[in-house]
Amino acid sequence: GAGVSQSPRYKVTKRGQDVALRCDPISGHVSLYWYRQALGQGPEFLTYFNYEAQQDKSGLPNDRFSAERPEGSISTLTIQRTEQRDSAMYRCASSSVLGTEQYFGPGTRLTVT
Amino acid sequence: GNSVTQMEGPVTLSEEAFLTINCTYTATGYPSLFWYVQYPGEGLQLLLKATKADDKGSNKGFEATYRKETTSFHLEKGSVQVSDSAVYFCALSISGNQFYFGTGTSLTVIP
Repeated sequence: GAGVSQSPRYKVTKRGQDVALRCDPISGHVSLYWYRQALGQGPEFLTYFNYEAQQDKSGLPNDRFSAERPEGSISTLTIQRTEQRDSAMYRCASSSVLGTEQYFGPGTRLTVT
Repeated sequence: GNSVTQMEGPVTLSEEAFLTINCTYTATGYPSLFWYVQYPGEGLQLLLKATKADDKGSNKGFEATYRKETTSFHLEKGSVQVSDSAVYFCALSISGNQFYFGTGTSLTVIP
């Protein structure tokens, strides 16, 4: 079946604009994770969901970042009033049971100019 | 806190050479340990995992043993191929709630 998909793959936006990044997990996967990955670094945890419930958002850097997964499937990570320091690769992953293998999407490369 | 420290790269090896990428961890509790691989232009893929002390994870000729006494999970392969060129990430998870990744080690294998 299809893997995790993310859209857009690349996003260039101007400072101060809002952006919405989409993640479509593997069908039936319960858990969904968002990560941010700076160049030359490993993925940094942002938040995760079980079904539609956001279980942990302690990794979100500030209140400009939010995420939702209203129907327990597709998730959206929203960044308001973007800043240049938000530029990074944003990765989504899903898993069938909490703690088992995570399947990663290709990521969205966000560039804030 | 929880963290992963892995060997800095880049690492360049000749084909058929022996590979070791060191990974050590700090964890509160009893973590599961993972190695992920990222091939050029692709997303991260799970390479292998171990969920308790002394477990050995293995896949595609790669191995790593969960060593609680040294808090390590070093990745090894006896004979690397050009197709193994990728970035390798060590990671840990406590109860599956959060995953903590190392900074990644870039491996280039030359013919």
